[in-house]
Amino acid sequence: QTVVTQEPSFSVSPGGTVTLTCGLSSGSVSTSYYPSWYQQIPGQAPRTLVYNTNIRSSGVPDRFSGSILGNKGALTITGAQVDDESNYHCMLYMGGGIWVFGGGTKLTVL
Amino acid sequence: QITLKESGPTLVKPTQTLTLTCTFSGFSLNTGGVAVGWIRQPPGQALEWLALIYWDGDPRYSSSLRSRLTITRDTAKNQVVLTMTNMHPVDTATYYCAHRGAAMTHFDDWGQGTLVTVSS
Repeated sequence: QTVVTQEPSFSVSPGGTVTLTCGLSSGSVSTSYYPSWYQQIPGQAPRTLVYNTNIRSSGVPDRFSGSILGNKGALTITGAQVDDESNYHCMLYMGGGIWVFGGGTKLTVL
Repeated sequence: QITLKESGPTLVKPTQTLTLTCTFSGFSLNTGGVAVGWIRQPPGQALEWLALIYWDGDPRYSSSLRSRLTITRDTAKNQVVLTMTNMHPVDTATYYCAHRGAAMTHFDDWGQGTLVTVSS
């Protein structure tokens, strides 16, 4: 069974840039997997940040950007703010109406 | 404005069947391409996609849980129902329903989630 991989944790300084990745245990992530990214503050429902690799959801600040880097999907936060401290989840479309989430990344901003 | 809200029992016993209802507004599940999915999250753990139902009633299930899940829709009531059989303590989680727009490949609106605890 294919596993979607994410860094368990990451740390960035306020104002810094961080790139979170979304990979596959077997194979490469491409735009055909339509990677999407969700931000989740503990105790709250996920919020959609980016979909179809690089399209920002309505109201999402432009410091969040999505891309494919090498063989992985990527979410880059440029100019991180303290409020960006959260959990970030990626989701891949596996085809046939099946989706899989990654394990999530806990981002610390300090 | 799209809203979704999950409802169902907060506590179920092991081996029982869980039935959760997602009641939504702001969109129609009769619209071509639209879908509603269910996602769960055990405490402190990752999100897990469970199931999805398309506007035409066609269901999709996680391969690992397929044998235990059934998803149905009632378009007149604007509801989607998920049943999960043979519940175990490891199924303790917050269960979310979410809207997938027509021809989209992501969930753009989420319910607030409902915590289901499996314990005797």
